[in-house]
Amino acid sequence: DAGITQSPRHKVTETGTPVTLRCHQTENHRYMYWYRQDPGHGLRLIHYSYGVKDTDKGEVSDGYSVSRSKTEDFLLTLESATSSQTSVYFCAISVTGASEQYFGPGTRLTVT
Amino acid sequence: SQKIEQNSEALNIQEGKTATLTCNYTNYSPAYLQWYRQDPGRGPVFLLLIRENEKEKRKERLKVTFDTTLKQSLFHITASQPADSATYLCALRGGANNLFFGTGTRLTVIP
Repeated sequence: DAGITQSPRHKVTETGTPVTLRCHQTENHRYMYWYRQDPGHGLRLIHYSYGVKDTDKGEVSDGYSVSRSKTEDFLLTLESATSSQTSVYFCAISVTGASEQYFGPGTRLTVT
Repeated sequence: SQKIEQNSEALNIQEGKTATLTCNYTNYSPAYLQWYRQDPGRGPVFLLLIRENEKEKRKERLKVTFDTTLKQSLFHITASQPADSATYLCALRGGANNLFFGTGTRLTVIP
C-alpha cells in the first residue's frame, strides 16, 4: 500500500464520542486525502491537505475536522460521532493535486 | 452538480474474453480521467490516467479510451483472467486538487 498506514484498522465507538483516525505516510508526498466509502455512494472526499497546516474541505466535510502538523501525518477527527458516520475511511496520498493517488488499507468505523 | 455513472454495477465475463467497462459523466470538463482497481477489504489501486487530449492509453492488457464529446471513457481488459475479478472505479478531476469517483463496476471473470 505504497508506504501508507492507517490506524486503527477497526473501531467501534458510541454515538457522541470523539474519534481520531490517523494516516501516516513514508513517501514524503505533499498531498493527503481522507475519503469515506459507503455502498451506493462510492468514494467521497472529506478533507484534503496540500501541505503542512494547509487543508481544505471536500464534498462531505460536515462533522469532520482534520489536522496536519507534519508532512507524514494527517489526522481525521469526528468531534462527536454519529451513526451516519459509520463507514470505511480511506487515506490517500499524491505527489501533486493532479497526479494519481495511492490509498491506504482503510479503517472500518462503526458508530453504535 | 457533477455526476459520474459507471453503467453496470456488476459484469460477468468468460475467461479469455474482453471486458469493457463504461464511465459516463455530466456537468464536467475534466482535464483527465483515472481508473482504479479495488479488491474486497482493500484500498483502491491506481491503474491508468488518460488526459483530455489523449484518445487512447494502453498498459499491458488494459486499454482506456476517452471521448470528451460523448463524455465517456471505456476501460477494456483483454484476455481476461479470474485474477482480474475486482471492482473498477473511474475518477475525474473535480477541482484543482481533488477527484470525484464513480461507484464502480464489479467485474467477475468466470473460469
